[in-house]
Amino acid sequence: GENVEQHPSTLSVQEGDSAVIKCTYSDSASNYFPWYKQELGKRPQLIIDIRSNVGEKKDQRIAVTLNKTAKHFSLHITETQPEDSAVYFCAASREGNAGNMLTFGGGTRLMVKP
Amino acid sequence: DTGVSQNPRHKITKRGQNVTFRCDPISEHNRLYWYRQTLGQGPEFLTYFQNEAQLEKSRLLSDRFSAERPKGSFSTLEIQRTEQGDSAMYLCASSLAGGYYGYTFGSGTRLTVV
Repeated sequence: GENVEQHPSTLSVQEGDSAVIKCTYSDSASNYFPWYKQELGKRPQLIIDIRSNVGEKKDQRIAVTLNKTAKHFSLHITETQPEDSAVYFCAASREGNAGNMLTFGGGTRLMVKP
Repeated sequence: DTGVSQNPRHKITKRGQNVTFRCDPISEHNRLYWYRQTLGQGPEFLTYFQNEAQLEKSRLLSDRFSAERPKGSFSTLEIQRTEQGDSAMYLCASSLAGGYYGYTFGSGTRLTVV
């Protein structure tokens, strides 16, 4: 089955700096890669996703890049703000008729210091 | 529609007791997933429904766990003869089928087995 590894496990940045979180996956057939943000005691929320036919996707201060050859993808947050502090999870799946079961990475705790 | 609803939010039970959780997905979503999340870890897939059919179960899911989704609407997850190792957050998510759709998670049910 799929295995997703995520690093770093914790990341501390100064407000206004950029943050980068990296994930690798093992199943070359995976074709959908979402990122979730989970604040303390709350549900994971989808913040951005990318499909395997796209190399990069951007949404305001958040961007995701995908390297299919190397089987890794990254989340980039620019101009970080204290409200970006949360745990971020990457995930991978193979969308198809059989479903879209996500395999999650272990999470990155991002702390943005004001 | 206010999103994915899970009940109860918290459940404390004695070891050996049975517990049942309920999930009400977004009404137009025909896919429903159950995940388990322990502290500091990413969500771990348990089982998945498309409409009323249970199409996939994790091999990590012991025989003490059973899930149903009668009529393709709400779902229940039952754990029989609970063990301390079952203590976790149980997350339900729903999505549309047929494309690259991210999940919408519920707030989860936190189970504590004492």
